[in-house]
Amino acid sequence: GDSVTQMEGPVTLSEEAFLTINCTYTATGYPSLFWYVQYPGEGLQLLLKATKADDKGSNKGFEATYRKETTSFHLEKGSVQVSDSAVYFCALNYNFNKFYFGSGTKLNVKP
Amino acid sequence: KAGVTQTPRYLIKTRGQQVTLSCSPISGHRSVSWYQQTPGQGLQFLFEYFSETQRNKGNFPGRFSGRQFSNSRSEMNVSTLELGDSALYLCASSLGPAYSPLHFGNGTRLTVT
Repeated sequence: GDSVTQMEGPVTLSEEAFLTINCTYTATGYPSLFWYVQYPGEGLQLLLKATKADDKGSNKGFEATYRKETTSFHLEKGSVQVSDSAVYFCALNYNFNKFYFGSGTKLNVKP
Repeated sequence: KAGVTQTPRYLIKTRGQQVTLSCSPISGHRSVSWYQQTPGQGLQFLFEYFSETQRNKGNFPGRFSGRQFSNSRSEMNVSTLELGDSALYLCASSLGPAYSPLHFGNGTRLTVT
């Protein structure tokens, strides 16, 4: 079946450190891939997306590349800020609006 | 542009009762999806409606049902509540075509005692 696996959290980094959150997926078709972010006390927000293999999604300094050969969509940011502290969810979708979400990775950024 | 609005924000119910949650999508969005979020299971898909028709359904018992009205607003109903139904219920709207990003509301926190 279809599923998304994310690295366990929490991830704790110092400000300006490099961030990688791993995400791999299993899909029977050709999905679109997404990263959503949930800030404390708020709903999920779309961070970035990629709709086909080799596409790179980017937003707010975050990037992720759709790697079909490794079935991965790792999230990266070169220099994190305290304001990036949140829970990050990787997700896939290809069947109308039925999204499969990973379990979420909590990021804590310390000043 | 107003975002996705969910009401109420918090609910406390007792086992065996039923509950109705409401969701108003972003103007122009015709698809509304519902998700259950719990610490143990994460985000799980409940169902999705488009133009008043249920297009997709997750693996939840029949106690969970929903509907969508002609103005795209949606309601979700849970009957015969169980303790395990305690969760954050999230509604998301989108334009509708496949691969459209979801726009989430802040959720309704349901506690079953």
